[in-house]
Amino acid sequence: DGGITQSPKYLFRKEGQNVTLSCEQNLNHDAMYWYRQDPGQGLRLIYYSQIVNDFQKGDIAEGYSVSREKKESFPLTVTSAQKNPTAFYLCASSIGRRGDYSDEQFFGPGTRLTVL
Amino acid sequence: AQTVTQSQPEMSVQEAETVTLSCTYDTSESDYYLFWYKQPPSRQMILVIRQEAYKQQNATENRFSVNFQKAAKSFSLKISDSQLGDAAMYFCAYRSVHGGSQGNLIFGKGTKLSVKP
Repeated sequence: DGGITQSPKYLFRKEGQNVTLSCEQNLNHDAMYWYRQDPGQGLRLIYYSQIVNDFQKGDIAEGYSVSREKKESFPLTVTSAQKNPTAFYLCASSIGRRGDYSDEQFFGPGTRLTVL
Repeated sequence: AQTVTQSQPEMSVQEAETVTLSCTYDTSESDYYLFWYKQPPSRQMILVIRQEAYKQQNATENRFSVNFQKAAKSFSLKISDSQLGDAAMYFCAYRSVHGGSQGNLIFGKGTKLSVKP
């Protein structure tokens, strides 16, 4: 079955530690995204990538880093510089056809990150 | 910058009845896309329906339909014959047709829908 997988489902981090959230897709999509969701808030864009080896900052990129070495993978690292990292993180992908912004974003099941 | 507002943090509907969720947005663009996403308790985001701003006709997907009022910048979602499985958070989202970061989704804060048996 095609889809997006995120791991782990739950992640606990001590203050001062970096952690990496995994996102893999087998939909052959070019574009991938990371969103953060807080209680009572909509989704906010952290980073996005429209093609391999290229990515751009979203609205709340501070304290996060990403890489896009493979089309299928878009891992997100939450660094110690992120002051309030406890949140639910969602990864998404879309076909990413240039000039077509009607294409649907497909979402993974999410990772819940808690800082202890 | 574009913004999306959902003024109803919570809504409730009786099973089999109809409910309408509100969404307004602010933009200076004339062409764009609008979406409604559903997030059930599993937290998996699912696309419910989409609307192209240049289309006059309101989009419909089975029991889900929208009332798109471009001049008023309003995009409400109507759920007919509500079912228990419709209980979820519903997010309205805007997407510009322009490239770069403007092509990304901008979400409202969501409306939590409860369905009473």
